Amino acid sequence: NAGVTQTPKFQVLKTGQSMTLQCAQDMNHNSMYWYRQDPGMGLRLIYYSASEGTTDKGEVPNGYNVSRLNKREFSLRLESAAPSQTSVYFCASRLVGSYGYTFGSGTRLTVV
Amino acid sequence: DAKTTQPTSMDCAEGRAANLPCNHSTISGNEYVYWYRQIHSQGPQYIIHGLKNNETNEMASLIITEDRKSSTLILPHATLRDTAVYYCIVRDNTGTASKLTFGTGTRLQVTL
Repeated sequence: NAGVTQTPKFQVLKTGQSMTLQCAQDMNHNSMYWYRQDPGMGLRLIYYSASEGTTDKGEVPNGYNVSRLNKREFSLRLESAAPSQTSVYFCASRLVGSYGYTFGSGTRLTVV
Repeated sequence: DAKTTQPTSMDCAEGRAANLPCNHSTISGNEYVYWYRQIHSQGPQYIIHGLKNNETNEMASLIITEDRKSSTLILPHATLRDTAVYYCIVRDNTGTASKLTFGTGTRLQVTL
């Protein structure tokens, strides 16, 4: 039982490049989330998917797009990376009606 | 979701109890108090949650005041591995769109 798996773990991009961060969970959870964490700060919600087929903006959605591919997978896309998007990105999932969120180990992204 | 206030940092000697306070004076009746922690740069880890009553699990105890405006997370016998940032979050559990909002947390340093 792997929990929440994020790929890649590390990535360096040049300004203007695009990439997709992948997240998959094997716990049959309904809801999935993408957060970013900048140095010394708490996590901020980028996008979330309350259930398969739905996505909604969080606190800091600008510059990102998401796709809930199926119940297991929730991807985050940067269409044109900017240095301000240098951060650690965490994916999380939750079973509706349960209390705990399960987080992945993060993707460390640097945009130069 | 209600806002929380936590001290920026705390120290605790190994083997002693660590008591981490949290103020949530604007909490509403259907909001739960959650605690998560983040060790180094890993993904946050669920610790405990409660609504009105005090709660205990294998990791910690949660003491909520009678007026629910503040709470304390207690790690009864802190170890070096408990060094982490601890986040107190209040959240309404209802609805599929429920999501966690993180503040900056309390950085707990456990020392020998």
